[in-house]
Amino acid sequence: GQNIDQPTEMTATEGAIVQINCTYQTSGFNGLFWYQQHAGEAPTFLSYNVLDGLEEKGRFSSFLSRSKGYSYLLLKELQMKDSASYLCAVRPPPPGGGNKLTFGTGTQLKVEL
Amino acid sequence: EAGVTQSPTHLIKTRGQQVTLRCSPISGHTSVYWYQQALGLGLQFLLWYDEGEERNRGNFPPRFSGRQFPNYSSELNVNALELEDSALYLCASSLAYREAPEAFFGQGTRLTVV
Repeated sequence: GQNIDQPTEMTATEGAIVQINCTYQTSGFNGLFWYQQHAGEAPTFLSYNVLDGLEEKGRFSSFLSRSKGYSYLLLKELQMKDSASYLCAVRPPPPGGGNKLTFGTGTQLKVEL
Repeated sequence: EAGVTQSPTHLIKTRGQQVTLRCSPISGHTSVYWYQQALGLGLQFLLWYDEGEERNRGNFPPRFSGRQFPNYSSELNVNALELEDSALYLCASSLAYREAPEAFFGQGTRLTVV
């Protein structure tokens, strides 16, 4: 089975750093995605981790520990436009997986002044 | 370059009716995925099409079906609509599975069943 857990809501201050955690228990694993979704809009791709460690992309970084079934998304120098839902998703192994992603319910981040 | 496009953007249907949603992938993408995002729930995988064939489907009843055309566009059909089918239906496309991991989403079709 597949189970992905994320906090439902988080609040942070403009200019600060926030870490959004994601834990997963899945029957197979071939990578973890983070997507950002603003209200009423399509999810947009942020990051993909398949090996353990930290991937940095500008203000956003994503970390993966496969042995712990754990990932986090780190957002630095928060801006008001970062207020959105952040979706963690796990990709199953081939051959039947493709991008049949299993998503968490998302973490609604609110950035305040 | 155009992104993933979906039509219509909004739709209202009555219980028991049938609906067809359409998706055009990014040029060059051969895989199309359909997801359902109901209020308060995460995205739920519906269907995956690649090179015109259904490769995988999620835990949805058979009244959810679809197809992919030779130009890689896709349709999602839902028969005998139920109230709980009200949701945002998202289509995503990607390159062939082994070429790139990330999928790009369209804006979605908001379906309301009354």
